[in-house]
Amino acid sequence: QVLLQQSGPGRVKPSQTLSLTCAISGDSVSSASTAWNWIRQSPSRGLEWLGRTYYNSKWNFDYAVPVQGRIIINPDTSKNQFSLQLNSVTPEDTAVYYCARGFHSSGWSDWGQGTLVTVSS
Amino acid sequence: QSVLTQPPSASGTPGQRVTISCSGSSSNIGKRTVNWYQQLPGTAPKLLIYSDNQRPSGVPDRFSGSKSGSSASLAISGLQSADEADYYCAAWDDSLNGVFGGGTKLTVL
Repeated sequence: QVLLQQSGPGRVKPSQTLSLTCAISGDSVSSASTAWNWIRQSPSRGLEWLGRTYYNSKWNFDYAVPVQGRIIINPDTSKNQFSLQLNSVTPEDTAVYYCARGFHSSGWSDWGQGTLVTVSS
Repeated sequence: QSVLTQPPSASGTPGQRVTISCSGSSSNIGKRTVNWYQQLPGTAPKLLIYSDNQRPSGVPDRFSGSKSGSSASLAISGLQSADEADYYCAAWDDSLNGVFGGGTKLTVL
């Protein structure tokens, strides 16, 4: 059974950086058979896929166009976890953030518990 | 405005069969598979259907998916009160983005 445990602050000031971590148990962040995703959900924007990382001979990163240039997803093999960094946040980045495991082709089968992040001064 | 279009609401009585539609385009559903997620209040989405019509282990066969052209559908037969939830379709898009529908709130009357 794969468990994803999220951690990180629930409040970030505008223009600052949002940082969240997703700790993995029951699988490896370096697994060649899966991807590690960040997805967020807000009442105004609904569910929004933000990006993913996966290892296939080398690390690969794909980011959603609306957040490209502001987002970094970083795998940490020593701690078997991956992180989300979203720079220059605005109140529009207020959302529940989820980490999720899987490639779209086989579905995002395992999800973290979700973290409500509020961008406010 | 979501890339994939779903009706905002659907309803049915216990035992009934309901369907939820998801409309996309040739850049997403028209050329790639569709997944469906169920979200109960206050919880993370749960994978219900993947690759258009495949059920993950543990998902009852009351749930089924289909696709035709640039549209997909989720069908729920033998409707139960426990099925009351939000349902989302998802696909991969030419822009290499994962895209979602706006969600359909299912009410069991």
